[in-house]
Amino acid sequence: GAVVSQHPSWVICKSGTSVKIECRSLDFQATTMFWYRQFPKQSLMLMATSNEGSKATYEQGVEKDKFLINHASLTLSTLTVTSAHPEDSSFYICSAREDGGGKETQYFGPGTRLLVL
Amino acid sequence: DAKTTQPPSMDCAEGRAANLPCNHSTISGNEYVYWYRQIHSQGPQYIIHGLKNNETNEMASLIITEDRKSSTLILPHATLRDTAVYYCIVRDSGGSNYKLTFGKGTLLTVNP
Repeated sequence: GAVVSQHPSWVICKSGTSVKIECRSLDFQATTMFWYRQFPKQSLMLMATSNEGSKATYEQGVEKDKFLINHASLTLSTLTVTSAHPEDSSFYICSAREDGGGKETQYFGPGTRLLVL
Repeated sequence: DAKTTQPPSMDCAEGRAANLPCNHSTISGNEYVYWYRQIHSQGPQYIIHGLKNNETNEMASLIITEDRKSSTLILPHATLRDTAVYYCIVRDSGGSNYKLTFGKGTLLTVNP
């Protein structure tokens, strides 16, 4: 159980275009999901916390108008990288925290590799 | 949130136990210790977590010292597939809005 999926697994796009990444909790409900970014040879950096039905909370230094997050249901959150540029090329990983009393574990998706040309 | 200190790398022979240490001397009483691992080019995988007592599951054991200032993750019989970066994380005690902050972790290399 506790599977999180991401789509697409990798994407290549031209500079200036927008890219949407989906994150789904397949067998559990998740009121709260998280989006991370990881550059080569670095650790994961939290970008934002996504709450179902409300606005996302962004970490310091993350542009909310560039990285649009929508958490429209208890099993789906999307991250849209708007007007992508080469410096946005990275490994984007989502995680979902399982709802339910006493469940404190976050489960991570397999990641989406974005390459902006 | 409490910070953690882990050695940057460790080696282990296949079939032997891998003991990965983590220091978290500033941990507070209601903060959990979590362990995740990340195999190359994949998302992190949850391993185990604990508060005060030692914990064991099908993947590993977690030993937390009595003063809670350090812990050890034990993989009882390491295999080549256990080669990964292991992250020890003290959960940000932000109530229902806690978040996990990743450090640099320990690169465990299991050798044949």
